[in-house]
Amino acid sequence: SQKIEQNSEALNIQEGKTATLTCNYTNYSPAYLQWYRQDPGRGPVFLLLIRENEKEKRKERLKVTFDTTLKQSLFHITASQPADSATYLCALSGTYKYIFGTGTRLKVLA
Amino acid sequence: GAVVSQHPSRVICKSGTSVKIECRSLDFQATTMFWYRQFPKQSLMLMATSNEGSKATYEQGVEKDKFLINHASLTLSTLTVTSAHPEDSSFYICSARGGRGNQPQHFGDGTRLSIL
Repeated sequence: SQKIEQNSEALNIQEGKTATLTCNYTNYSPAYLQWYRQDPGRGPVFLLLIRENEKEKRKERLKVTFDTTLKQSLFHITASQPADSATYLCALSGTYKYIFGTGTRLKVLA
Repeated sequence: GAVVSQHPSRVICKSGTSVKIECRSLDFQATTMFWYRQFPKQSLMLMATSNEGSKATYEQGVEKDKFLINHASLTLSTLTVTSAHPEDSSFYICSARGGRGNQPQHFGDGTRLSIL
């Protein structure tokens, strides 16, 4: 069955450093991969979408890579700030349906 | 842009009550809406997908008679939890997507449902 793993349940990082979150998947060939941010008690907020034929996408301090050979995506936040503390979800989509990972809780320490 | 409004944000009611949750896309037309359920520290579990004017497609294991979904217009979908029981208590989140293909989903802020 299709499976998505986000490498760590929680990640603590010092302010100003680069946070790197990992999303690995198996038994799936997604056409798209998306990253969302979710704050406690709120719905997820869309951050970035990357297509299978794209290797990298950037938006301000965010960068996403997509390696379809390794079946892996990396999500980077550079110059991290305490306000970046949240849970980050990756989601794969092929046809119409999305499959979400369990998320990584990022905490940026001041 | 791409704002999705979900109401109510919190519901507490007695067992046996039916509860309706509304999901509205405020500034775009949502050709597809999704309903999710999320347990603490777990990911989003897709319950059903609905397209405007069509019957919803339910995921395996989700009772369609228990969770009634109506997508009557391009801006409104409702989820009704019928005869709710304590095990239905959860965080329910809707999302909406405009256009075709794999466009991003835009999520509401969720409804915390507590059945006593």
